[in-house]
Amino acid sequence: DARVTQTPRHKVTEMGQEVTMRCQPILGHNTVFWYRQTMMQGLELLAYFRNRAPLDDSGMPKDRFSAEMPDATLATLKIQPSEPRDSAVYFCASGFFRDGPYGYTFGSGTRLTVV
Amino acid sequence: DQQVKQNSPSLSVQEGRISILNCDYTNSMFDYFLWYKKYPAEGPTFLISISSIKDKNEDGRFTVFLNKSAKHLSLHIVPSQPGDSAVYFCAAKVNTGGFKTIFGAGTRLFVKA
Repeated sequence: DARVTQTPRHKVTEMGQEVTMRCQPILGHNTVFWYRQTMMQGLELLAYFRNRAPLDDSGMPKDRFSAEMPDATLATLKIQPSEPRDSAVYFCASGFFRDGPYGYTFGSGTRLTVV
Repeated sequence: DQQVKQNSPSLSVQEGRISILNCDYTNSMFDYFLWYKKYPAEGPTFLISISSIKDKNEDGRFTVFLNKSAKHLSLHIVPSQPGDSAVYFCAAKVNTGGFKTIFGAGTRLFVKA
């Protein structure tokens, strides 16, 4: 089965440190999303790309978060500097969109803890 | 501003009975609605979707109903099984040409054997 791979699965870091999360989307998928899951907000959309171009990153705190797709097999989400409030599970998802039903595949997530 | 709302944080149902999960939305620009299921320590998995031009879509034990005038959709699971116990997310896609998809906060379903 094709799947979305996220690394690392868990990350514990100290406040102020840089954190980089990686995602390998399913080969052939043209759209990649980054979501963050928190207890209060559910799944928040941070950013998404289509054909590697950023379409919307309005959900990200711009001063500390950045998302890129250096190539079709890798998407990255970087936090610099990290803060305790960034602690959450970060999900990457990918899909191929041309018509419905618009379901896409999620990775297993990166659980980030900032202490 | 929560555009997709799941007002029930949890729901408990007896095995074999119907589970009804509800979702309300505020944005008239949504053209597709989706339901995802999530088990602990896993990513959400796509379950079923419905276009805004339809009012019902069925797939096996899962049926999604859409009431556009009320800006409300629901997911029915019949019959409910213990393996259905999970968090269910309602999501909506904005029809602005991209694929921006907004999720609700989720409802945790417990199916008791």
